[in-house]
Amino acid sequence: QKEVEQDPGPLSVPEGAIVSLNCTYSNSAFQYFMWYRQYSRKGPELLMYTYSSGNKEDGRFTAQVDKSSKYISLFIRDSQPSDSATYLCAMSAGGGTSYGKLTFGQGTILTVHP
Amino acid sequence: NAGVTQTPKFRILKIGQSMTLQCTQDMNHNYMYWYRQDPGMGLKLIYYSVGAGITDKGEVPNGYNVSRSTTEDFPLRLELAAPSQTSVYFCASSTAGTQETQYFGPGTRLLVL
Repeated sequence: QKEVEQDPGPLSVPEGAIVSLNCTYSNSAFQYFMWYRQYSRKGPELLMYTYSSGNKEDGRFTAQVDKSSKYISLFIRDSQPSDSATYLCAMSAGGGTSYGKLTFGQGTILTVHP
Repeated sequence: NAGVTQTPKFRILKIGQSMTLQCTQDMNHNYMYWYRQDPGMGLKLIYYSVGAGITDKGEVPNGYNVSRSTTEDFPLRLELAAPSQTSVYFCASSTAGTQETQYFGPGTRLLVL
C-alpha cells in the first residue's frame, strides 16, 4: 500500500464547475498537508498549506484535512480554464528530522473546458 | 530574483554515460532537494541538504550523488546512466522553519537510451 493515494484522473469539467480533488494516506505521523499545482512542463508551485486538521480557504480554493479519516481534499469553486493543471497532494510529518521531506501523491490531471 | 534555476532543460544520454544536473537558488535558502518525477508517479525524493556541507539520502538515492559546497548550489551527479533514470528531475529549496513550503525549479528532462 502506498503511503499517499491520489486518484490520477484525468478529470474534465466545464468552466464554472466545482472541482473536488482528494488524497488518502496511511501514515498517522503526517501533520503538514499541502497542495501543489503543476502546469504542463513546469515545476510544481505551492497552492495551499494546512497544518493538522481543519479547513483553509484562499479565494476560490478550499483545503480540508480530516486526520481521523486520513483524508484530505481540495475544492475549487467557479473553476476556470486557467485552473487546468496537475494537482499534487503532499504531506510531511514535520519537525525533528523530517527536514521538509515531502511524500507526494501521484497527481490528478484536471482540465477545465470553456 | 530568479528563484530556483536548473540546467540543462533537456538532455539525452547513452547508457553508461555520466552527467551533472545543475541547480542554483538565489533566495538564501538553507534547505535544498532533488526529486524525480515519473509519469503518473508523483515526485520522489532523491537527496536533500540542510546546509552547505550537509547532505542525506531520500527515498530513491541509488545511482545518484550530490554535493553542497555553497548555500546557492546543489548539483546532482548521475554515474553510469541507466534507462531507469529516464525521468524529469526537479530541484527545490526552502527555508528552515517552513520546510514544507518548497520552491521548485523548472525541471530537467533526461532521456537515457
